[in-house]
Amino acid sequence: DQQVKQNSPSLSVQEGRISILNCDYTNSMFDYFLWYKKYPAEGPTFLISISSIKDKNEDGRFTVFLNKSAKHLSLHIVPSQPGDSAVYFCAATGNQFYFGTGTSLTVIP
Amino acid sequence: DSGVTQTPKHLITATGQRVTLRCSPRSGDLSVYWYQQSLDQGLQFLIQYYNGEERAKGNILERFSAQQFPDLHSELNLSSLELGDSALYFCASSGSSIDEQFFGPGTRLTVL
Repeated sequence: DQQVKQNSPSLSVQEGRISILNCDYTNSMFDYFLWYKKYPAEGPTFLISISSIKDKNEDGRFTVFLNKSAKHLSLHIVPSQPGDSAVYFCAATGNQFYFGTGTSLTVIP
Repeated sequence: DSGVTQTPKHLITATGQRVTLRCSPRSGDLSVYWYQQSLDQGLQFLIQYYNGEERAKGNILERFSAQQFPDLHSELNLSSLELGDSALYFCASSGSSIDEQFFGPGTRLTVL
């Protein structure tokens, strides 16, 4: 049972535009949410996180939004750059980590 | 470079065999996590150790076991291997907080 879902396996965006990656979860007990970025042949790297007591967290070009009532979070990247092309995983924590299946982002120069 | 090392990088073996994957966490990190990533799947959490003790267990098969040693390195043992065990196995480490894990480069296991 996939408790964290990323329903878009891939996304293409023009350089300079906004990238929006979405993630849904099923367990209302999750209290911390994270986004990881993964390049081929490398392990995932932590990008940004948000606590369930907040609805927004910003770090430079990256902003994560949390909508608890909809059990939905999203990652916004503005402006998108070609170096952002990677697979993005969202994750949620309760008593353990749950990861989504990832969204492959391609930023077109 | 995350500071987490995993060996070997690649492993090819046959069904029914047993393998051991090794992970060295970042210096000072007490927690080690193991994940499995199969084709087209997300990262499946297997197990977490904290300072030598099992802390959390995920979807880890009974054929799999892990341990964390006094020097904090960890090993994941996979036995009676099946074709479906072919996957990338990642190790991650963190300090006392669970909010940020640092991942190793992974071990790609191929079972033929």
